[in-house]
Amino acid sequence: EAGVAQSPRYKIIEKRQSVAFWCNPISGHATLYWYQQILGQGPKLLIQFQNNGVVDDSQLPKDRFSAERLKGVDSTLKIQPAKLEDSAVYLCASSPGVAVEAFFGQGTRLTVV
Amino acid sequence: AQRVTQPEKLLSVFKGAPVELKCNYSYSGSPELFWYVQYSRQRLQLLLRHISRESIKGFTADLNKGETSFHLKKPFAQEEDSAMYYCALHTGTASKLTFGTGTRLQVTL
Repeated sequence: EAGVAQSPRYKIIEKRQSVAFWCNPISGHATLYWYQQILGQGPKLLIQFQNNGVVDDSQLPKDRFSAERLKGVDSTLKIQPAKLEDSAVYLCASSPGVAVEAFFGQGTRLTVV
Repeated sequence: AQRVTQPEKLLSVFKGAPVELKCNYSYSGSPELFWYVQYSRQRLQLLLRHISRESIKGFTADLNKGETSFHLKKPFAQEEDSAMYYCALHTGTASKLTFGTGTRLQVTL
């Protein structure tokens, strides 16, 4: 089966610019996660969707980050405006259900200069 | 709030030596624990889950609720085991997935 697809793979932007990441989960997976992974740290959950509804966004910096999941399938994560500390790998994952395996994409490496 | 702690950033062992990657968690409910692995230039993937009680690539992990631990073990390390290992905790009916900071396992000859 096709895996979780993310684009772009790499992005370099200047601080205060905006950026968007895209994720296409595995077909039929109801749960979609966005994680931020800063170098040397574990993945930190930013937002979790169940179909097209938000289940958890408690760690999403809502003043600059936003995410949506259109029709319960693809998702986009946006940062506006970006800060230097947003430099990280942004991981998307999907899962077919509760407490089962999450499948990860390759991630988008963001560098803010 | 749930938390996962992996105390070692780096664990270096010789080929053939036993391996134990430590993981402790805090959660007031009934936990679902997982180990994920990331090999060089590959995506994060599931290694094993406590509920299945299986051995994958020679690795096992036992959930100890008394010590709130889920340590990953392998009796004889192989070079191909070199990777980043993350312990993860599923909590709640919403299936929130929380990761530890990870341990890099380095297996040398």
